[in-house]
Amino acid sequence: GAGVSQSPSNKVTEKGKDVELRCDPISGHTALYWYRQRLGQGLEFLIYFQGNSAPDKSGLPSDRFSAERTGESVSTLTIQRTQQEDSAVYLCASSLGLPGPYGYTFGSGTRLTVV
Amino acid sequence: DQQVKQNSPSLSVQEGRISILNCDYTNSMFDYFLWYKKYPAEGPTFLISISSIKDKNEDGRFTVFLNKSAKHLSLHIVPSQPGDSAVYFCAASPTDSWGKFQFGAGTQVVVTP
Repeated sequence: GAGVSQSPSNKVTEKGKDVELRCDPISGHTALYWYRQRLGQGLEFLIYFQGNSAPDKSGLPSDRFSAERTGESVSTLTIQRTQQEDSAVYLCASSLGLPGPYGYTFGSGTRLTVV
Repeated sequence: DQQVKQNSPSLSVQEGRISILNCDYTNSMFDYFLWYKKYPAEGPTFLISISSIKDKNEDGRFTVFLNKSAKHLSLHIVPSQPGDSAVYFCAASPTDSWGKFQFGAGTQVVVTP
């Protein structure tokens, strides 16, 4: 597609439920990143996929968080047993290989609210 | 551990005047810096960048200054326009883990007529 597409754009869920967030990167982009932004804070790195290499999961805050990506296409970020502190905007970004001097291209994000 | 800090959450500036946004970092290994701009309900978009081998980079109305010894960079917008009203994020990356940018919390800029 022309840009990075994320769905849903908004999600309200009850505490304890599982959620899945989806990211469609720009076609041909081998690298895909997930970030989140909690209220009043900066973007927090979560996970990074590069081609068929093992993902860099160093930013995942707990084992309730996981992400998958099939090849160089869609990625899903799954949060199990959601907690109120998981409320944030989850942003996906992609780049052609390692990002060049212009960084990544971001999607519009998924606003997750855990009630 | 916030390695990139934007200590001003908001900035109000009159149209036509200069906007100055500040960013401080703690990791001396950071050697590439970017500014992103974000409008509501949209993802951040790249604005301007600077490598640590430079102390200034200019692109139209936007100039980024880097002071490595102070671990400080700033973004100047001259003249400010109403369309510049947005949240601005500072981001940094070290060469040895290129791609994993560390972001500041952002500064909300409001340009008033």
